[in-house]
Amino acid sequence: EAQVTQNPRYLITVTGKKLTVTCSQNMNHEYMSWYRQDPGLGLRQIYYSMNVEVTDKGDVPEGYKVSRKEKRNFPLILESPSPNQTSLYFCASSLGTRASYGYTFGSGTRLTVV
Amino acid sequence: GQQLNQSPQSMFIQEGEDVSMNCTSSSIFNTWLWYKQDPGEGPVLLIALYKAGELTSNGRLTAQFGITRKDSFLNISASIPSDVGIYFCAGPNTGNQFYFGTGTSLTVIP
Repeated sequence: EAQVTQNPRYLITVTGKKLTVTCSQNMNHEYMSWYRQDPGLGLRQIYYSMNVEVTDKGDVPEGYKVSRKEKRNFPLILESPSPNQTSLYFCASSLGTRASYGYTFGSGTRLTVV
Repeated sequence: GQQLNQSPQSMFIQEGEDVSMNCTSSSIFNTWLWYKQDPGEGPVLLIALYKAGELTSNGRLTAQFGITRKDSFLNISASIPSDVGIYFCAGPNTGNQFYFGTGTSLTVIP
């Protein structure tokens, strides 16, 4: 089944404790992206990647890192999480380099930083 | 960053009614996409539009790409309870970033 798999689904952590949210897709998509969703703000792009070893900042990259060492994986790293990073996070992938064909989304990771 | 403003922000309608929502941008888009998000899930693509003036249907859903290329519209006819969710417009800018609107929350009352 074609899908984007994110883990974990739920995560509660403490301020400053490094964490990684994994994302993997099995569709051989070039474009992958991370979004955070907050009430009233819609989905805001954190980072995106157009292909292996190519990553770029989205609108809200501060406090996040990503890497794209393999085409299928695009982990999101929070080196020192803070409470304002409490949010619902989505990984998404798309055929083509600009996501014009539409994204396939993962099921989301609900992160709480206390 | 790019702002995609959706209106209305929320809607409460009776089952069977038609629904209209829109999305406006401060800059030109060459692609408009409409997504629906069910509670606790990721958004799912409903309709894609690639040309100004284009009108595309998917079952009871119809979307239009505005001729100014700065807006798009989504209509749902004869709403049913499973239409409940948040609807997002979205699209890539002239670079490689991809933006989502602020969302329209739809509640259908049986």
